Amino acid sequence: EDQVTQSPEALRLQEGESSSLNCSYTVSGLRGLFWYRQDPGKGPEFLFTLYSAGEEKEKERLKATLTKKESFLHITAPKPEDSATYLCAVQSNTGNQFYFGTGTSLTVIP
Amino acid sequence: DGGITQSPKYLFRKEGQNVTLSCEQNLNHDAMYWYRQDPGQGLRLIYYSQIVNDFQKGDIAEGYSVSREKKESFPLTVTSAQKNPTAFYLCASSFRALNTEAFFGQGTRLTVV
Repeated sequence: EDQVTQSPEALRLQEGESSSLNCSYTVSGLRGLFWYRQDPGKGPEFLFTLYSAGEEKEKERLKATLTKKESFLHITAPKPEDSATYLCAVQSNTGNQFYFGTGTSLTVIP
Repeated sequence: DGGITQSPKYLFRKEGQNVTLSCEQNLNHDAMYWYRQDPGQGLRLIYYSQIVNDFQKGDIAEGYSVSREKKESFPLTVTSAQKNPTAFYLCASSFRALNTEAFFGQGTRLTVV
């Protein structure tokens, strides 16, 4: 069964304190791995798509990386406006669905 | 502006009543999806559609129904058979069903009393 596990569930950082969020996945053939940001009461906002191990994508203070079993979302020198829940999703070769993790709730303290 | 519009943002209904949530997109996307989000759980797929007049059940389709008569529209009906309908509902679309990211609407929070 396709599964996505995100850790930690919650993360509190001081402004400027860099860290990483983890997304571990078990799928029968990965088509793509997707990162989203979700603010409270709003729909997820697309951040990155990664397709193959070794691939990296960057956007401002965020960098996503992918291995054969997990993905990391690295946050460099975060600011309070980076506070949100970050969701990871995968799509496998066996179907058209996106499978989502439960997310990591990030709080950046000024 | 291109995007996905869900309406209404908040919806209150009495137990036993059917209710329909609207989802419209002007992105010319083929695939559309409905997810349910509950606290502490990941997004769970209710239904998805890869093309007009075709849709498939997701993991939690019981108590829900959909239609896809137009490419732009994918309404979701929450029926009285859904045992626990209070939740945050999210609609999404993607250019194709495979290998492309999904874009989400702003959600509808349904409360059944």
